[in-house]
This record gives sequence, C-alpha cells and structure tokens, in this order.
Amino acid sequence: SAVISQKPSRDICQRGTSLTIQCQVDSQVTMMFWYRQQPGQSLTLIATANQGSEATYESGFVIDKFPISRPNLTFSTLTVSNMSPEDSSIYLCSVGVTGSEKLFFGSGTQLSVL
Amino acid sequence: QKEVEQDPGPLSVPEGAIVSLNCTYSNSAFQYFMWYRQYSRKGPELLMYTYSSGNKEDGRFTAQVDKSSKYISLFIRDSQPSDSATYLCAMSAMNRDDKIIFGKGTRLHILP
Repeated sequence: SAVISQKPSRDICQRGTSLTIQCQVDSQVTMMFWYRQQPGQSLTLIATANQGSEATYESGFVIDKFPISRPNLTFSTLTVSNMSPEDSSIYLCSVGVTGSEKLFFGSGTQLSVL
Repeated sequence: QKEVEQDPGPLSVPEGAIVSLNCTYSNSAFQYFMWYRQYSRKGPELLMYTYSSGNKEDGRFTAQVDKSSKYISLFIRDSQPSDSATYLCAMSAMNRDDKIIFGKGTRLHILP
C-alpha cells in the first residue's frame, strides 16, 4: 500500500481564479492519477501524471484547464484554472500498483467555486 | 446502457444484518473487479480485489463475480455501524491501457 497526502483538504474559491492541489506519496511510484468525483457521479479520470513527460489527459479534459506537474516520483500537482461553479467537485489523487489494477487514493480536495 | 450500473441507495439495514451490494456491467472484456469503501470526506479505500469469476472472502466481506450474468456482488456479514459508508464497484479489462471504470457508489447506513 501507499500513504498519500493531499492538500488542501477543502477550499472555497472565487470564479475565475485558480487552485493548485498537491499530492505527496510516501514511496516512489510510476503512475499517478487525478480523478474528479462529482455528486451522484462515478469517479472520472482526468489525467495520468507521468514523471518526466507530459500528462496524458482523458477525453473532455484539457491541459489548459487542468495543468499537471510531476517533478519526481513522489509528488504531483493538479491546477484547476479559471474556475467556474461547474468545477465544484472532489478532486482525488491516486497511485497505482505496478502490474495490478489496484489503486490507492488520497483523502481528496473538496472544491467549491462561488 | 452504461458500462457499469450501481444503485446509489441509500440502503439502510439494522446492525448485524447481512448486506448485499451489487453492480452490473455491459463490457464482457472486464476481468478485474474491485470494491472500494469511501467514508465521508475521505478517499476511496480498496476493500476487495478479484480476478475473473468466483468468490473471494476476507473476514466479514465476500466478493462474488458472475461473468456469465455480468453481475458482481459484495456481501457484508454481521454488519456494524462502522460499515456505514459509500461502496464503489470498479472494474477493468486485461489490457493495461484500459481505464478502470467505477460505479456511482451505493450509500450504506447500518442502524445501531
């Protein structure tokens, strides 16, 4: 297993601003993922953060809106840019286990945009 | 038809009862099946992980996969108030490029 620290745990932001969410893992991992969890909806993968290369974004998510950094094997950030109320959601950092479908999640960031 | 269907609940049962949580799916390529438990204001926590069909037991929890019916279940025996949480099913195909698809989650309340 992996211990994942994610911060902030929650924030209330104004429309048009940006928020950067940090994710720290207690061990080196190859694959880090960012998910969005909207009320009443299933977990949706935003992007896969690869160390040393550009993040891979899923359909419907773009780098300009959700820029991701992955400077090393234990850390990643997700920025939600130019926020609107539709971005209000829980954002989750996750890491995978090599050779397995198992995922471990951080505690999430509850974002509210006014 | 959505890839993964899961009744959102809420499901309320008395303490000590057997709980049955279920998901159906449409993609016959799914081979890996997981159940996650998510407490309020926490991230999902992997509870059960199974490959292909059959049963897997871990303490009070039993995961069951019926690939012929495209149906998976999680049973909780002797349910406790601490089992109150949202339970998410998840599944993926064998191809490592395939995404993990999550259900919407079922909210479970165990009544003392």
